[in-house]
Amino acid sequence: DAKTTQPPSMDCAEGRAANLPCNHSTISGNEYVYWYRQIHSQGPQYIIHGLKNNETNEMASLIITEDRKSSTLILPHATLRDTAVYYCIVRVENGNQFYFGTGTSLTVIP
Amino acid sequence: NAGVTQTPKFQVLKTGQSMTLQCAQDMNHNSMYWYRQDPGMGLRLIYYSASEGTTDKGEVPNGYNVSRLNKREFSLRLESAAPSQTSVYFCAAASAGGPYEQYFGPGTRLTVT
Repeated sequence: DAKTTQPPSMDCAEGRAANLPCNHSTISGNEYVYWYRQIHSQGPQYIIHGLKNNETNEMASLIITEDRKSSTLILPHATLRDTAVYYCIVRVENGNQFYFGTGTSLTVIP
Repeated sequence: NAGVTQTPKFQVLKTGQSMTLQCAQDMNHNSMYWYRQDPGMGLRLIYYSASEGTTDKGEVPNGYNVSRLNKREFSLRLESAAPSQTSVYFCAAASAGGPYEQYFGPGTRLTVT
């Protein structure tokens, strides 16, 4: 599976959009991009995933570049409860292994 | 539904002792996983079970054994604990198809002295 690169930390003002980038320049055509987050020391929580098209759900939006070498997770109106470590992961379809990396620690500032 | 449960929540072992971490899920998912997370690090896959009766090694399997007892339960055993195995252990479950969302348990915090 391709590996990902994320900035180690980011800050975002409460109420503003948080844009978290991820580089996956070696991604293959059958690999999906997944985003998870881990709040404090709890188990990670699924946020969203996508293959080629942009995706949106009740939690976030996922923007994938046309060449699929990078993506951005967007939290449209960040709240203090969004403070967490965000992991960008690529996974082969029907593959069983996730490589979490070290993620981006997002701090939402009041 | 409880989702994914893990026992115990905390454990302290002496070097050389053995123990089994228990994980159970009530979501009827086929796949189950064991991860470890060291301080300041992401999760690393130890073992996984794609279906009842099968298990496979992940990224860091040395020093561990697993048993997929039935569809609900997936246990992780440390035969001879070492200080390097001090970590937080997470169990997860996922369906075989669909979005492949992994559901995680609350974790077991293990310290080996």
